[in-house]
Amino acid sequence: NAGVTQTPKFRILKIGQSMTLQCTQDMNHNYMYWYRQDPGMGLKLIYYSVGAGITDKGEVPNGYNVSRSTTEDFPLRLELAAPSQTSVYFCASIGLDTQYFGPGTRLTVL
Amino acid sequence: TQLLEQSPQFLSIQEGENLTVYCNSSSVFSSLQWYRQEPGEGPVLLVTVVTGGEVKKLKRLTFQFGDARKDSSLHITAAQPGDTGLYLCAGGEGLFNKFYFGSGTKLNVKP
Repeated sequence: NAGVTQTPKFRILKIGQSMTLQCTQDMNHNYMYWYRQDPGMGLKLIYYSVGAGITDKGEVPNGYNVSRSTTEDFPLRLELAAPSQTSVYFCASIGLDTQYFGPGTRLTVL
Repeated sequence: TQLLEQSPQFLSIQEGENLTVYCNSSSVFSSLQWYRQEPGEGPVLLVTVVTGGEVKKLKRLTFQFGDARKDSSLHITAAQPGDTGLYLCAGGEGLFNKFYFGSGTKLNVKP
C-alpha cells in the first residue's frame, strides 16, 4: 500500500492564480481530511469528507473548495490564490481510529 | 473553534533527561491523540486515549488523559536524540472524527 499520496510536493503561485492539490489514498478509507499548517503552528482543518459525494467545512474553509467523486481521491481546489494561503497542506484519511497523513504540499503564493 | 494549548512551545534538553509536555483545553473531547512530526513530513500518530484518567505507555513515552477529558500530558523518560521533533496533540470530537490540533511543542534532544 502506498498509503496517502499528495501531488505536487512544492508549488509557487502568483496572486490570483488557481490550482488543485491532489490527494489519493489506497486504503479504502471513507473519512478524508485536508489540513493546512502554517510555520511553527499546528494543523487547521480546511474540509473533510465522510464518503464519496459527501463533504463539509472545517475550521478554515474560506478560499478553498473540495470534491469527492471516488473513495480514493479528495482534491483541494484553490481559487484566486492569496498570500495568506502560503502554507503546507496535508491530506489525511482515517482507518481503524488511526489518522494517516500524506507527505504534504508546500505552497507559496507571491 | 476548539482551542488546544500546548506547553512548553520549545524544549531543548540533554540526552538522558526526562520531560513532560502538556496539552490543555476548556473543551471536552471524545478522544485525544498525540503525534510526532519531523521536518518535511506529515505527522505520525503515537497514541490515542479515549477514557478520562487513561494512561498509556509506549516504551519510554507515557501518555495520560485528564479525568475530565479536557487535558493530556506526554512524559518522556531518558530522552534520546531520536526523540527530537514536533509533538502535536489533537482533540477529536463528533461522529465524523474531526480533530483540532494544538500548536505543538518543538523538542530538541542534544547528544
